[in-house]
Amino acid sequence: NAGVTQTPKFQVLKTGQSMTLQCAQDMNHEYMSWYRQDPGMGLRLIHYSVGAGITDQGEVPNGYNVSRSTTEDFPLRLLSAAPSQTSVYFCAVKSLWDSRSTDTQYFGPGTRLTVL
Amino acid sequence: AQSVAQPEDQVNVAEGNPLTVKCTYSVSGNPYLFWYVQYPNRGLQFLLKYITGDNLVKGSYGFEAEFNKSQTSFHLKKPSALVSDSALYFCAVRDGSGTSGSARQLTFGSGTQLTVLP
Repeated sequence: NAGVTQTPKFQVLKTGQSMTLQCAQDMNHEYMSWYRQDPGMGLRLIHYSVGAGITDQGEVPNGYNVSRSTTEDFPLRLLSAAPSQTSVYFCAVKSLWDSRSTDTQYFGPGTRLTVL
Repeated sequence: AQSVAQPEDQVNVAEGNPLTVKCTYSVSGNPYLFWYVQYPNRGLQFLLKYITGDNLVKGSYGFEAEFNKSQTSFHLKKPSALVSDSALYFCAVRDGSGTSGSARQLTFGSGTQLTVLP
């Protein structure tokens, strides 16, 4: 099992460009989320989803869109990239109902994004 | 609102010595507390969690953490540090009350860089 995969690993964009960060899981977990990691600020939640067709905003949603059409995939879209979106992005998944792994999140390897 | 404080950006310890990485939290309901570790250029890995029960929680790689409700702390400890323990450590909390989506959101601390010196 691959667990949680993210593509691409690295990306450089120019201001105003758009792109989609991909996240896929083979763990059949209901909950998927996107975080950004910035130095000295820990991880901040961007968007999350508790199942296919359901998404909601986290702490820092502005400038990002998400959709969840399947259990496996949770893409993050930047419609018009800005230098302030330079960061490392992590996708994380967890089961909402498995009592053995309550609240344990499994993280992907991350995407390092630079916006010039 | 919930929050986590990791008061030390950097902790240095000699190999073989005990280590402590500090974490304090604030949450309105029942705290669910977590420690994650991040090695360079990798995603976060789960170490341990406190949901309920014994205040001393044992986790992966010989780490443990003690939940102290009166001091609202959840410090990470290890009796004998290894060079391979050098990494970035994150404490996280969420309100364990209720079942709404917002209650499932984790709040992370800013991280503590642990360096174990040989």
